[in-house]
Amino acid sequence: NAGVMQNPRHLVRRRGQEARLRCSPMKGHSHVYWYRQLPEEGLKFMVYLQKENIIDESGMPKERFSAEFPKEGPSILRIQQVVRGDSAAYFCASSPMEENTGELFFGEGSRLTVL
Amino acid sequence: DQQVKQNSPSLSVQEGRISILNCDYTNSMFDYFLWYKKYPAEGPTFLISISSIKDKNEDGRFTVFLNKSAKHLSLHIVPSQPGDSAVYFCAASAGGNEKLTFGTGTRLTIIP
Repeated sequence: NAGVMQNPRHLVRRRGQEARLRCSPMKGHSHVYWYRQLPEEGLKFMVYLQKENIIDESGMPKERFSAEFPKEGPSILRIQQVVRGDSAAYFCASSPMEENTGELFFGEGSRLTVL
Repeated sequence: DQQVKQNSPSLSVQEGRISILNCDYTNSMFDYFLWYKKYPAEGPTFLISISSIKDKNEDGRFTVFLNKSAKHLSLHIVPSQPGDSAVYFCAASAGGNEKLTFGTGTRLTIIP
């Protein structure tokens, strides 16, 4: 049973470009979460999605950031017109719908560097 | 507004001794607490959790203690092993919501 898969693992963008980060949850998991970790900080919640629905986006910056989890395919976190402050590790996590243990299974992260 | 705080950014412990990592929280709505372990360039992995209806949960070398009145929890690792060297994050959630609020982490170094 493959774990949470994130790609790319590393992404370099110049200021003003777009960044797209992908996340495939664990098999059987229908809840996806995106977290961001800035250097020397903890993980900050960004958004919680179920298939075709955004459940909670209270941690998403109001502009330039969007997320989706389509019926088919991976969840995508999209950052438009990136700035240097967007440089961070972005972690995706998933959980099963049936078991509400509070435990999240994390991917290895996508590290975005904005030049 | 840091609702989950880990005030020690780093901790060094001799191999074989006990490691104690601390975590404080401010949101009284939190009712489920977790510890995650993270190695460099990897994602966090779940270690142990505790519900607010308990004050202790044990799993092998790992024990988590919860003091609700003090809004404090701690993770004890005994005996500490070199493979325990990692960053440990405390996290909390409220009302069955899986959205986790994380602390800033404590880097544990086990000295051989």
